Formats: sequence, structure tokens, C-alpha cells
Amino acid sequence: GAGVSQTPSNKVTEKGKYVELRCDPISGHTALYWYRQSLGQGPEFLIYFQGTGAADDSGLPNDRFFAVRPEGSVSTLKIQRTERGDSAVYLCASSLTVAGGTEAFFGQGTRLTVV
Amino acid sequence: DAKTTQPTSMDCAEGRAANLPCNHSTISGNEYVYWYRQIHSQGPQYIIHGLKNNETNEMASLIITEDRKSSTLILPHATLRDTAVYYCIVSYYGGSQGNLIFGKGTKLSVKP
Repeated sequence: GAGVSQTPSNKVTEKGKYVELRCDPISGHTALYWYRQSLGQGPEFLIYFQGTGAADDSGLPNDRFFAVRPEGSVSTLKIQRTERGDSAVYLCASSLTVAGGTEAFFGQGTRLTVV
Repeated sequence: DAKTTQPTSMDCAEGRAANLPCNHSTISGNEYVYWYRQIHSQGPQYIIHGLKNNETNEMASLIITEDRKSSTLILPHATLRDTAVYYCIVSYYGGSQGNLIFGKGTKLSVKP
């Protein structure tokens, strides 16, 4: 595809349920990032992958959040036992490498609403 | 925490140059200055980046001071479509660190 694709674009779930958010990066991009953005705030870093491995997961807020990228392409962000405070726009980005001076391309995000 | 300081908001008249300042006094020698913008309800969009030298592309110019402690993003002829939140970020890609830390950015309003 031409850009980073995120699905679904919107997700409404009940408190306590499990959700999966999917990110399809630009073909050939080895680095993939997840952010979340609350209303009026800048994007908040969650985790980034270099290939299949999570190179930095220091932004994951707690153990209810987990992300995988098993084949080094598509990534899934998984949230267990969702809480109302998890409501936000979840953004995915990819870049060709993690070398200095590389630009990241963002998707349009998944708007998660926990009711 | 973000390593940059930006004004919360700015206005600019359509057709005029928009000059967005950013302070990054703690920048280290291997960190780049990146600018992204976010138009309402869209994902952030890359604008430009630089290390030491001034840079120009089809969207904007980036002026970095000699001591690298501050920079200015210049949109030479702002249009209404440039209304967005502009984020200045300092970051080093490489090794175990590969993330962009966003602050709150500058909300630029371009007015007719």
C-alpha cells in the first residue's frame, strides 16, 4: 500500500473486554512504532520494533498492554481488560530504518472508546 | 519528557511567512531536530529535519542556530491548509533508542 494502514479506524468496546488494533506498515520498513494520543495532547510513545523484536517497550503503561510483530511486518497492539482511561487514538508509524535522520510515516490512527 | 519548548499557539495571515520557534537547549551532538505537524483528526506528518545545517524542502525551511540550542521552522507562504499543530522534536535514531518524544506543540492558525 501507499502508506501506513491501521484497522479498525474506530473501535467501541465495553470496559473489561479485550481488543486488538492492527497496523500495516509501509512495505520494506523495518522500524514500527505505536503511540497513543489523548484529546489535546501530543502523541505518547508506547513501543517500537526493529524487525520482529521490541527494541523499546518502555512506554507501555502496564502489563495489560502488549504488542507483537511476528514476521517483521504487520503489528498488533493488544489491550486486555480495557478501562475507560484507555480511550484514545492509537497511532502507528513506520520508518525505513532507525538510522539517524530517518523520517517516520504515521497512519490515521484507531480511535478506541471504552464505555 | 519532551526536550523542546514551543509556544502554545501562533497566528499567521494567509500568504505571509509563518515562523515557528523551538528551544532545545539540552540537545546533544548526535540528536537531530525534527518537525512534524498534525492536522485535525489526522496522523502526524513529517515536514523536515536537520542536524547542524539549515535545510529546505518543498514544504518548509529549517534554520538551526550555530549552538544548536534553538531552531525555527519557516513556512514561506502560509495557506489555510497549513493550520495545524506543529511539533518540534529532538531525537537520535540508533541503537536501542528509536522513538520520537512529542511535546504539546504549537497550534498554528492561518487566517484569511
